[in-house]
Amino acid sequence: EVQLVESGGGLVQPGGSLRLSCAASGFTFSSYGMGWVRQAPGKGLEWVSALSASGGSTYYADSVRGRFTISRDNSKNTLYLQMNSLRAEDTAIYYCAKYGQILVAGPQYFDYWGQGTLVTVSS
Amino acid sequence: DIQMTQSPSTLSASVGDRVTITCRASQSISSWLAWYQQKPGKAPKLLIYKASNLQSGVPSRFSGSGSGTEFTLTISSLQPDDFATYYCQQYNNYWWTFGQGTKVDIK
Repeated sequence: EVQLVESGGGLVQPGGSLRLSCAASGFTFSSYGMGWVRQAPGKGLEWVSALSASGGSTYYADSVRGRFTISRDNSKNTLYLQMNSLRAEDTAIYYCAKYGQILVAGPQYFDYWGQGTLVTVSS
Repeated sequence: DIQMTQSPSTLSASVGDRVTITCRASQSISSWLAWYQQKPGKAPKLLIYKASNLQSGVPSRFSGSGSGTEFTLTISSLQPDDFATYYCQQYNNYWWTFGQGTKVDIK
């Protein structure tokens, strides 16, 4: 059974930093690209970042480029999102999600999602 | 970036109704479209990928169609478990975008 478990969320002041983690199990983590999607309270879904199976290719939404860094440790089956210079508008539930197809080039849909971790940016 | 527009934003329906949700892309995305269902307090769940492919385990009352810029999600006979918010998502390029969502509630 595929499982994605996020952690690391919490309350942080504007300008602060947080690192989110997503522990994966139930599939060959190193064979799939992964992504982060967020959802502000009461709002819709917004893609944040993604990276390839090897971690060699990374992609960011304009709203976070230069402030957030996505990475993975395939030896630990874990995905990360380092978030710096946080703003109030970054307040959201952050979901990690798995690409739908194994070792396929190109962007993909997300077939499994974690339960999410809440990040609140407030003074 | 590619904009995705869903209609309607809210849909009131009864159990047994046939329900159709439309998603339009601001430019052609071929068939690179997915549909997700989300219930309050839960993560999104994949229903359809590549416009018309049913994800494993998803009931056959859900179907998707379309290509290019216009797509539809159809629920052939609405069930109590289907009251939720539905999102389309394009993955034509390395800039994933979602529609704003369609909430299906009880009439």
